[in-house]
Amino acid sequence: QQQVKQSPQSLIVQKGGISIINCAYENTAFDYFPWYQQFPGKGPALLIAIRPDVSEKKEGRFTISFNKSAKQFSLHIMDSQPGDSATYFCAASMRFNKFYFGSGTKLNVKP
Amino acid sequence: NAGVTQTPKFQVLKTGQSMTLQCAQDMNHEYMSWYRQDPGMGLRLIHYSVGAGITDQGEVPNGYNVSRSTTEDFPLRLLSAAPSQTSVYFCAIGDSTDTQYFGPGTRLTVL
Repeated sequence: QQQVKQSPQSLIVQKGGISIINCAYENTAFDYFPWYQQFPGKGPALLIAIRPDVSEKKEGRFTISFNKSAKQFSLHIMDSQPGDSATYFCAASMRFNKFYFGSGTKLNVKP
Repeated sequence: NAGVTQTPKFQVLKTGQSMTLQCAQDMNHEYMSWYRQDPGMGLRLIHYSVGAGITDQGEVPNGYNVSRSTTEDFPLRLLSAAPSQTSVYFCAIGDSTDTQYFGPGTRLTVL
């Protein structure tokens, strides 16, 4: 049973547009929700993360929206750029750094 | 890759062979984990460790062994390789803030 469900599988956005990726989870013991960005041939790199005591976190063009009651969280990329083209993973963790990842979203930002 | 090294970068094995994937860190972080990444599946946790001498199973531990005799090293052993273990393997380290850093990965093919 997949602990974290991610959609869509792929996303095409025009340069300057908004990219939105959604994730849902079931386990209410999760207390940390990061997003990772991965370029081909590289390991995932932490992009932004949120804890369930806040509903939104913004870092530059990247925003996480968190809905605790719905057990959903999403990544918004404002003013999307071709350099943002990568695969994005949501994740959730509980204690001991034990992470569960979504299946990934391949983002393509067209110039 | 934030002080995480993985060797080898690439490996081809025959079914039934054994091998060890190496992971080393120079960040003195407590947490170390092994993940496998398969297309459309995201990253799945194989084994993790919360400190030297302590290891535990993740989502997909079968066919893999780990040990952690030092803070710096966390090797992953395949006892008898199977084609189903063809994957990209990532080692990750983490600190008490839940931030996780991934290594560059090992691409393993089992024929």
